[in-house]
Amino acid sequence: DAMVIQNPRYQVTQFGKPVTLSCSQTLNHNVMYWYQQKSSQAPKLLFHYYDKDFNNEADTPDNFQSRRPNTSFCFLDIRSPGLGDAAMYLCATSRGPETQYFGPGTRLLVL
Amino acid sequence: RKEVEQDPGPFNVPEGATVAFNCTYSNSASQSFFWYRQDCRKEPKLLMSVYSSGNEDGRFTAQLNRASQYISLLIRDSKLSDSATYLCVVNIVKYGNKLVFGAGTILRVKS
Repeated sequence: DAMVIQNPRYQVTQFGKPVTLSCSQTLNHNVMYWYQQKSSQAPKLLFHYYDKDFNNEADTPDNFQSRRPNTSFCFLDIRSPGLGDAAMYLCATSRGPETQYFGPGTRLLVL
Repeated sequence: RKEVEQDPGPFNVPEGATVAFNCTYSNSASQSFFWYRQDCRKEPKLLMSVYSSGNEDGRFTAQLNRASQYISLLIRDSKLSDSATYLCVVNIVKYGNKLVFGAGTILRVKS
């Protein structure tokens, strides 16, 4: 089945230790997004790639970076995780401005 | 003021009840509207798009009032499986297909 896959589903890291979350998709969608969702809050867009063009939200901290080496894969790098970065990280994809489809998320715990 | 506002609930209803959720949005440039459903610790999933003419999908009816910048979702004959958080979402296409989420309304259907 075509889908959005995120790995790992759960990630534990230490304060300040870099971590990378990955997302892949078999939908052949040209747009990929990363959202952060904290408990009882709305998903918050961090950035997205429209094809190869990277679009960063104005309030996304510099600590968060992203890479998209090809159409199918997109990575979220957190350079120095803080306790406040513990959250669910959701990857989504879309074909242009059409409906976004979400992966199952990676739950990040920072110790 | 938040861009998308919802009553957080929770709405506690018995099986078979009809329940309505409301949502308001502040950005008049919003062009597409959706209701997503999110189960506990899972990713958001598209429930339905919302059109100006109103649309229905089985027990679910969505309405949009652009003049009032107001969106609603009506669920008839509630089932236990309807228990979830319902996210009101608007798409501001001029910002590059940016989805803005409300914080969600919690629904608990009880037997």
